[in-house]
Amino acid sequence: GQSLEQPSEVTAVEGAIVQINCTYQTSGFYGLSWYQQHDGGAPTFLSYNALDGLEETGRFSSFLSRSDSYGYLLLQELQMKDSASYFCAVGDDKIIFGKGTRLHILP
Amino acid sequence: GAGVSQTPSNKVTEKGKYVELRCDPISGHTALYWYRQSLGQGPEFLIYFQGTGAADDSGLPNDRFFAVRPEGSVSTLKIQRTERGDSAVYLCASSPAPTGEQYFGPGTRLTVT
Repeated sequence: GQSLEQPSEVTAVEGAIVQINCTYQTSGFYGLSWYQQHDGGAPTFLSYNALDGLEETGRFSSFLSRSDSYGYLLLQELQMKDSASYFCAVGDDKIIFGKGTRLHILP
Repeated sequence: GAGVSQTPSNKVTEKGKYVELRCDPISGHTALYWYRQSLGQGPEFLIYFQGTGAADDSGLPNDRFFAVRPEGSVSTLKIQRTERGDSAVYLCASSPAPTGEQYFGPGTRLTVT
């Protein structure tokens, strides 16, 4: 079967760094993606890892280890606007999303 | 440029009725996906189009659900004999290639009464 595991909630302080982990089990695999979704909004693409290693885009970085079926999203210099749900997603033609990690940021 | 658009933004229908939800992808994007999302959950895959053809429709819950993309651009998700359990936000996403870099529309909130 196909499944993804990510923490349901994470809390961090403004200005800090937070890591959201994702482990997956899937039959088909192009890569691991991360999306951000604010309440009432649509998911917004953040990053995509097709190969092992770290991808950096501004304050956000994403890592993938295909041998471990594991990845993470790293958010640096947290801002209040980063309070949202974060989803990892994997698959090939059929994309499976995790249940999401709700990030709470304290001032 | 224009992003993915979906119409209507909200749809309220009675149980047993037929509904159509429309998605206009980003121009030039060959891959198009439909998902539905319930409160507190991640998007649930329904169907994936590559061009005009459905490359994977394994996520459609039953034969009441059907989707088309006749010219490889606009897509319509059709739901027959709606049930209260169909109530959700239906999301459409497009991608320049079948990868994990997808761009979502604002969604259609379907409420079946």
